[in-house]
This record gives sequence, C-alpha cells and structure tokens, in this order.
Amino acid sequence: SQQGEEDPQALSIQEGENATMNCSYKTSINNLQWYRQNSGRGLVHLILIRSNEREKHSGRLRVTLDTSKKSSSLLITASRAADTASYFCATGGGFQKLVFGTGTRLLVSP
Amino acid sequence: IAGITQAPTSQILAAGRRMTLRCTQDMRHNAMYWYRQDLGLGLRLIHYSNTAGTTGKGEVPDGYSVSRANTDDFPLTLASAVPSQTSVYFCASSRTSGSLDTQYFGPGTRLTVL
Repeated sequence: SQQGEEDPQALSIQEGENATMNCSYKTSINNLQWYRQNSGRGLVHLILIRSNEREKHSGRLRVTLDTSKKSSSLLITASRAADTASYFCATGGGFQKLVFGTGTRLLVSP
Repeated sequence: IAGITQAPTSQILAAGRRMTLRCTQDMRHNAMYWYRQDLGLGLRLIHYSNTAGTTGKGEVPDGYSVSRANTDDFPLTLASAVPSQTSVYFCASSRTSGSLDTQYFGPGTRLTVL
C-alpha cells in the first residue's frame, strides 16, 4: 500500500504562478524526498528533507515538513512551462525502503 | 554511458512467455531496485538488492524474480507473463541501501502482456 498520498492529483496553472503540492503519509519517517517525472521518463530526485527539519529550499523549490501532522508540501515559485511534470513524494525510515506516493500531475501553461 | 540503462525500451509479449528486463548502472552503486508504475498507483517496489549477491522482496514480488551476480547488473525476470503485469518498469540505484540516499532512475521499459 502507498505510504504517501499527494494532493491534488492534478494541478493546472499559468506560467509565473506558484504551484503547491501536498503529501500526507501514515507512519513515522526519518526523511521525505520529492521526485519529478517528465512524461515517459524516469524519476529525478529534487530535494530531501530530514525529519528534524521543518523547511528546506533549493532554487525555486521550497519544501516543508510537519511530522506532527505527517504531511509535507512542495512549493514551486514562479512556475515555468518546463515545470510541467508529475511530482512524487517518497518516505523513508529505518530499514524501510523508500515508499512512493501516487503523484501530482502539474500542468503549467504558457 | 553514465547512469542507468534499461532494455528493451518497450515490449509486447504474449501471456505465458518468459521475459527478462535488463538494467545496468555504471555508478558503482551498491543498491538497486525494480519498480512498476501503474496509473493511479504510483511506483511500487518489486524487488531490491542492497549489495551484489543479495536480493530482497518488495511490495509486489509475486511473478517476478531477480538476480544480482555483480554490482552493475540487476535483471528482472517474468517467468510466465500475465496481462496484469502490463506496466512500465523502472530500475533504480542508490549509493547505499539507506533511505537517506537519492535514488537514480533508468528511463523505463514499457511492457504490454496480451
């Protein structure tokens, strides 16, 4: 069964707008990762946040983690058409292998 | 080559046939993984290998087998394919088996079982 569930399942915005995706998970974790998948391609790692971190930035990406609510969010600022992709959260903890969520499909229109 | 390669890119297979999906990495990563991706279900782990010579079962291992004879190669075999194994298969690797390590993915193999 999936550990993480992303919300929304699909998101459509205009270039320049911000995109926010959320991930909820069920069990304790020691880290949460976000991956991106362009259509027909493999996943690419974006960012990792550890369980003792609350916020992390990488370029136009901002990730937050709230372990009390078992949730994380990924914010992409000033979106570009090239950001169109599916975004997955993946949770890891202890000896558990990474478990991926079902993904959010983001469409950024020019 | 740099990264992970998978072969074939796509395949149409008759039910009951045997099929091996190939995966090779040149990053000298210890851990390797096989996932299947189905619409609405995200990625599900089939089998993994923490290091050469060892393998383990993931979330959906039934109907699949793997081997890890060396560091670079991690083939996935479907002994007798069934239509429910129609999916996109991704191989991935990471430097170690720890969950803090980034996983690097191959381009995928699209498999259709008729």
